[in-house]
Amino acid sequence: QVTLRESGPALVKPTQTLTLTCTFSGFSLSTSGMCVSWIRQPPGKALEWLARIDWDDDKYYSTSLKTRLTISKDTSKNQVVLTMTNMDPVDTATYYCARIRVTIFGVVITDYWGQGTLVTVSS
Amino acid sequence: EIVLTQSPGTLSLSPGERATLSCRASQSVSSSYLAWYQQKPGQAPRLLIYGASSRATGIPDRFSGSGSGTDFTLTISRLEPEDFAVYYCQQYGSSQVTFGQGTKVEIK
Repeated sequence: QVTLRESGPALVKPTQTLTLTCTFSGFSLSTSGMCVSWIRQPPGKALEWLARIDWDDDKYYSTSLKTRLTISKDTSKNQVVLTMTNMDPVDTATYYCARIRVTIFGVVITDYWGQGTLVTVSS
Repeated sequence: EIVLTQSPGTLSLSPGERATLSCRASQSVSSSYLAWYQQKPGQAPRLLIYGASSRATGIPDRFSGSGSGTDFTLTISRLEPEDFAVYYCQQYGSSQVTFGQGTKVEIK
């Protein structure tokens, strides 16, 4: 059974750095084709993709947020960590992590999501 | 960056009716990289369709996806009460992922 759970602070101040952890079970991020992404959703708005890390440690970032994001993994702990620097009130959102499978045919499947964690940026 | 435009923004329908949701891309998207999600209030998105037309595990066959290139469609053949929600399309391209702005399917 695949599960993912996001954890991190519920409240951060402007200019601070946000660190979120995705702890997962039911799969290994060292298995070929496995990846984890971070996605966020401001209240009442659409989904926005942030970053992805692959089983081979390849990393991809949103072009618009690339300078502020860092994604990393700890395979032994089944965790993926996302840091976002210089937080602003517009970054207030629910942050989700999700598992991605890339099949041998190249089909990309984001099949499991965490329940999300709401992060509010306010002084 | 590929921009996905979903239409309509809101679809007002009755249970039992057919829903047709559109997702148009600003440039061609590989069908392998197009997915649809359902999201209900307070919940994480749920994968419905991947590879443009393959249903995810456990998704009822009233949900179907079609399309290629820049035009994709999600069809719900007969709306059930639990289908009223927001639907998003998503694409993976050049290592960048984008979502549409969503279509809300509401009860008429």
